[in-house]
Amino acid sequence: NAGVTQTPKFQVLKTGQSMTLQCAQDMNHNSMYWYRQDPGMGLRLIYYSASEGTTDKGEVPNGYNVSRLNKREFSLRLESAAPSQTSVYFCASSEKLLATYEQYFGPGTRLTVT
Amino acid sequence: KNQVEQSPQSLIILEGKNCTLQCNYTVSPFSNLRWYKQDTGRGPVSLTIMTFSENTKSNGRYTATLDADTKQSSLHITASQLSDSASYICVVSPGLTGGGNKLTFGTGTQLKVEL
Repeated sequence: NAGVTQTPKFQVLKTGQSMTLQCAQDMNHNSMYWYRQDPGMGLRLIYYSASEGTTDKGEVPNGYNVSRLNKREFSLRLESAAPSQTSVYFCASSEKLLATYEQYFGPGTRLTVT
Repeated sequence: KNQVEQSPQSLIILEGKNCTLQCNYTVSPFSNLRWYKQDTGRGPVSLTIMTFSENTKSNGRYTATLDADTKQSSLHITASQLSDSASYICVVSPGLTGGGNKLTFGTGTQLKVEL
């Protein structure tokens, strides 16, 4: 099992460009999450999907959109990238949304917006 | 506001030595506390998970302790190895009805193990 995979690993965008970060999990998990990690700060939740067909905002959703394509895949889209979105993005999944279920993280996407 | 504070921010130790990392939290009500290890350029990987009723939990050379009364946890690493060099992140979950969307992450302790 590959666990949680993310593409691309690295990306450089110019301000105003758009892109989609892809995430897939092969653990048959119901819930999926997108986080960003910035220096000196803990991981912050951008969006999450409790189950296939549902998505909800997290702590820092502005400037992002998500799609839960199917049970396996959860994508994050930046419509008009800004330098403030320079960050490392992590996708995670868990069997269920309850906090007692462990979250498994992907390897991350390092995004730079110039 | 729920907060998780970790100390020290960074730590350098010699291979073979022990070390202890600290985590203080204000999350209430409290469900469980996790310690994650994050290698450079990788995603976090879970080391231990403790519920509010557990005082200690081990995973090989890693031992986590929890004092729910004082809202403090520690991660003790025994006989450190070069491969222990990583960031260690404390994560606290809200009460039993809380979701995985409510986790509070600490900023991590950056550990470097040297020869």
